Amino acid sequence: QKEVEQNSGPLSVPEGAIASLNCTYSDRGSQSFFWYRQYSGKSPELIMSIYSNGDKEDGRFTAQLNKASQYVSLLIRDSQPSDSATYLCAVNIRNNDMRFGAGTRLTVKP
Amino acid sequence: DTAVSQTPKYLVTQMGNDKSIKCEQNLGHDTMYWYKQDSKKFLKIMFSYNNKELIINETVPNRFSPKSPDKAHLNLHINSLELGDSAVYFCASSQTGDGPQHFGDGTRLSIL
Repeated sequence: QKEVEQNSGPLSVPEGAIASLNCTYSDRGSQSFFWYRQYSGKSPELIMSIYSNGDKEDGRFTAQLNKASQYVSLLIRDSQPSDSATYLCAVNIRNNDMRFGAGTRLTVKP
Repeated sequence: DTAVSQTPKYLVTQMGNDKSIKCEQNLGHDTMYWYKQDSKKFLKIMFSYNNKELIINETVPNRFSPKSPDKAHLNLHINSLELGDSAVYFCASSQTGDGPQHFGDGTRLSIL
């Protein structure tokens, strides 16, 4: 089983819709969780951090964490064409050791 | 001011050569990392260092040797380059071992 798994996509949504990205992880002891956005040819850019169960909102982005189900998700409300990118789920499986999912490519169509 | 800077941005070289990539961070972070992103865009950890000390060596061939002269710098030296080493290499840093990481712009390594 891979350490961090994401829906490989690609995911396509119309402008203004909600995009939903999902991630599961295998190490039950993991404590910190992140979503990164990566535009083609660019470096990963941090969007959200989440450390405890529940929802965390930041502008149009909401991260959700369920440690019992080992599940992390990212919702993007009012999706914009500029949100089109690859979204990477990242999990710190132990200190100084972050593992990434394979990424989900999102396309927002005008 | 660039927070995590890598040089060079592009590296084109022949099989068998030795090359180095430099990384510097001005964020005052204690932990630095090297990642490899292959053609399928999968980002895989190679090494992590905390305050100049090696913490993680993720089954990387010993042709790859990281060096951290101080906690603001983590360089990567690669010996006897192989075709399979072609990838984008990212340096990153974080304040704590479980905190978010900030990435450099990457070094695209192409082996001819």
